[in-house]
Amino acid sequence: QKEVEQDPGPLSVPEGAIVSLNCTYSNSAFQYFMWYRQYSRKGPELLMYTYSSGNKEDGRFTAQVDKSSKYISLFIRDSQPSDSATYLCAMTINQAGTALIFGKGTTLSVSS
Amino acid sequence: EAGVAQSPRYKIIEKRQSVAFWCNPISGHATLYWYQQILGQGPKLLIQFQNNGVVDDSQLPKDRFSAERLKGVDSTLKIQPAKLEDSAVYLCASSWRTGEEAFFGQGTRLTVV
Repeated sequence: QKEVEQDPGPLSVPEGAIVSLNCTYSNSAFQYFMWYRQYSRKGPELLMYTYSSGNKEDGRFTAQVDKSSKYISLFIRDSQPSDSATYLCAMTINQAGTALIFGKGTTLSVSS
Repeated sequence: EAGVAQSPRYKIIEKRQSVAFWCNPISGHATLYWYQQILGQGPKLLIQFQNNGVVDDSQLPKDRFSAERLKGVDSTLKIQPAKLEDSAVYLCASSWRTGEEAFFGQGTRLTVV
């Protein structure tokens, strides 16, 4: 079993739809959870950063962490064609020197 | 603020040849990472530096890969000899400190034929 599982998609939605992206993980020691967005032929860029369980909202993006289920989600409201990219979840045990473990990424396409 | 710079952007080599990638992190960032991203997969950490010291190189194939960070600033990643399975994008990232937001460069796309 991989440490972080993420459905690679692809996921295709019409403009304005609500998008739900998810990851599951096996290591209960993970405490810090991130979502990165990666456009084609670009490096990943950080979208959301959360610690432990709960929700975090930033504009059209909401990140949820459910540590009891070992499940994290990213919701995108009012999706736009510019949201078309690969979304990578990542997580780490602590801030002091442990590397990020990434999921495979979900490819999202938003059509106008 | 300038971002993480990487060069070259693309490289094609034959198997058993050697190749080197260069990274210039954001000024002042103490932590530097090299990740390998194979097509269809998430990035995998190869090596992490704190200033010019190695923090984690547990997933670096040390028989063929080497990396250094001179004077705690620029870094080079070398592969010698390359194998077909080394075809991937090599991403460099940096952060102020370990665990804080990592900023990624655009990557070097390596094709081994």
